[in-house]
Amino acid sequence: AQTVTQSQPEMSVQEAETVTLSCTYDTSENNYYLFWYKQPPSRQMILVIRQEAYKQQNATENRFSVNFQKAAKSFSLKISDSQLGDTAMYFCAFYGGATNKLIFGTGTLLAVQP
Amino acid sequence: DGGITQSPKYLFRKEGQNVTLSCEQNLNHDAMYWYRQDPGQGLRLIYYSQIVNDFQKGDIAEGYSVSREKKESFPLTVTSAQKNPTAFYLCASSSLGTLTVDSPLHFGNGTRLTVT
Repeated sequence: AQTVTQSQPEMSVQEAETVTLSCTYDTSENNYYLFWYKQPPSRQMILVIRQEAYKQQNATENRFSVNFQKAAKSFSLKISDSQLGDTAMYFCAFYGGATNKLIFGTGTLLAVQP
Repeated sequence: DGGITQSPKYLFRKEGQNVTLSCEQNLNHDAMYWYRQDPGQGLRLIYYSQIVNDFQKGDIAEGYSVSREKKESFPLTVTSAQKNPTAFYLCASSSLGTLTVDSPLHFGNGTRLTVT
């Protein structure tokens, strides 16, 4: 069964600095999709970035980028120039195979300090 | 504006009562989902529906029921058989029955259910 692991329950970063959130997953599939979602205090789930496994190029969305290492089954999220509004819970998610379910990690709570 | 509407935002019920959570979308999406969120456990799938009049159990379907009579609506009923119903419930939708980078999951604002 596929699993998603986020090993950092909480992280803190200074405003304007860069932070990397870790995510690893376990699968025997060759083609799949990976996502990062952000959940601010409002609890609205917001899609941050998405990646297709068969694409070698790392996805980027403005200040957000990923480091996708398929062989290592790693999908870390880098936030550059951190802003106070980035304070949120971040969830890594995996989709692939016959299960037809989006599987979430347990989340990393990121606090951006002024 | 298109989106997913969950109502109410907060819901309180007495133990032993069934309660129905509303989820409506005007995105014309085919698939809809219900997730439960508890502290420290991420999101867990309760039920999903890829097409009208059809739905499948997720990982924690016991004590819950759903219906999909209309494309835009996917209500979730929390029955008295659900042992720990107090949680945050999120409804989501996707344009296709399967997820891709072009058809990701979109979420509503959630309903906080408290059962005492």
